[in-house]
Amino acid sequence: DVKVTQSSRYLVKRTGEKVFLECVQDMDHENMFWYRQDPGLGLRLIYFSYDVKMKEKGDIPEGYSVSREKKERFSLILESASTNQTSMYLCASSSRYSGTSGGTNYNEQFFGPGTRLTVL
Amino acid sequence: ELKVEQNPLFLSMQEGKNYTIYCNYSTTSDRLYWYRQDPGKSLESLFVLLSNGAVKQEGRLMASLDTKARLSTLHITAAVHDLSATYFCAVDLNSGYALNFGKGTSLLVTP
Repeated sequence: DVKVTQSSRYLVKRTGEKVFLECVQDMDHENMFWYRQDPGLGLRLIYFSYDVKMKEKGDIPEGYSVSREKKERFSLILESASTNQTSMYLCASSSRYSGTSGGTNYNEQFFGPGTRLTVL
Repeated sequence: ELKVEQNPLFLSMQEGKNYTIYCNYSTTSDRLYWYRQDPGKSLESLFVLLSNGAVKQEGRLMASLDTKARLSTLHITAAVHDLSATYFCAVDLNSGYALNFGKGTSLLVTP
């Protein structure tokens, strides 16, 4: 079974603090993703990475940065936390070669348990 | 910009009834995923649909994909309380990387 773990389930930080959220996967997946989930807005992609040291901005990268120094680990960094970054953060991973069906490659993503971050 | 719309967003249904959740998307794709999320938990993969006309079934849930209509459905048969959860569809834009999620359908099954 694919296992994606996140460093904390719940986190409370103060405005202006630097926050690190860590994600580790044990299935040798190439792709890793950070989403935030807010009521009424669904899941929104913050950043993703398709290889070590590679990163791509998602839909809402402002106020965030990421780091991928090792294949299994993808970190999300809030340089200076703000109250509007209070949210549920979900990490996901997928294989570049999740599978092929009828010649179509697919990209099934597997999610970690989430970190509920509150910024006061 | 790809838009993925689910409806309804909220659904309360009685045990034993049938219902369908709809997922429309705005651009060409032949890869669609359904996920389930229980309260306070993460997302669990339910179905992967990879071609026009694809149909997958697991227990009381059946998902289908019509790529020409850009529509996927998740049909619930004879609902039971254990199916209460939020269901998300997600579309793969063939980039092989990011998925685009709908806002989710919050399903409550009552006695």
